[in-house]
Amino acid sequence: GQSLEQPSEVTAVEGAIVQINCTYQTSGFYGLSWYQQHDGGAPTFLSYNALDGLEETGRFSSFLSRSDSYGYLLLQELQMKDSASYFCAVNGGTYKYIFGTGTRLKVLA
Amino acid sequence: DGGITQSPKYLFRKEGQNVTLSCEQNLNHDAMYWYRQDPGQGLRLIYYSQIVNDFQKGDIAEGYSVSREKKESFPLTVTSAQKNPTAFYLCASKGQGEQPQHFGDGTRLSIL
Repeated sequence: GQSLEQPSEVTAVEGAIVQINCTYQTSGFYGLSWYQQHDGGAPTFLSYNALDGLEETGRFSSFLSRSDSYGYLLLQELQMKDSASYFCAVNGGTYKYIFGTGTRLKVLA
Repeated sequence: DGGITQSPKYLFRKEGQNVTLSCEQNLNHDAMYWYRQDPGQGLRLIYYSQIVNDFQKGDIAEGYSVSREKKESFPLTVTSAQKNPTAFYLCASKGQGEQPQHFGDGTRLSIL
């Protein structure tokens, strides 16, 4: 079957750095995306990796290793507003996406 | 501004009733998607469409139907056959190539 695994919850303090991992097992792979979703809101796009390596966008970075079927989202200088759920999603080809079950990030003051 | 508009924001369904959720996009995207999200869960794909007049079933299509008569519009009907319809429904669209999906603000459906 096809699946993505993420930790269900991560807790960190303001100003810290946190890493959210995602391992995947899919029949096809075109790229790994990360989305942020605040309670009651819609997912918003954060980053996308099609090739191995690190992509940096401000305080957020995302990494991909295709050989290990693994990626992570790195959040630096955590702020209270970063408290949300974070989803990884694989583009498996033919326009079809598979989402992980999400990681709930709690940022403590 | 370009974006995806879902309506209504909240919807209530009576037993045995079909309801239709609207999704409109002005991003000129070819692909559109419907997802269902249950509390504390990830997104599950209901249907998706790559082009007008064509759509494919996702992982949980039973009890749902869609149409794609126009590029901009991809309405989802939750039929009476869907016995547990209470959920948050998200519509998304995607441009060509390695473009990310963009989501609407969602419709929250509940049973009366």
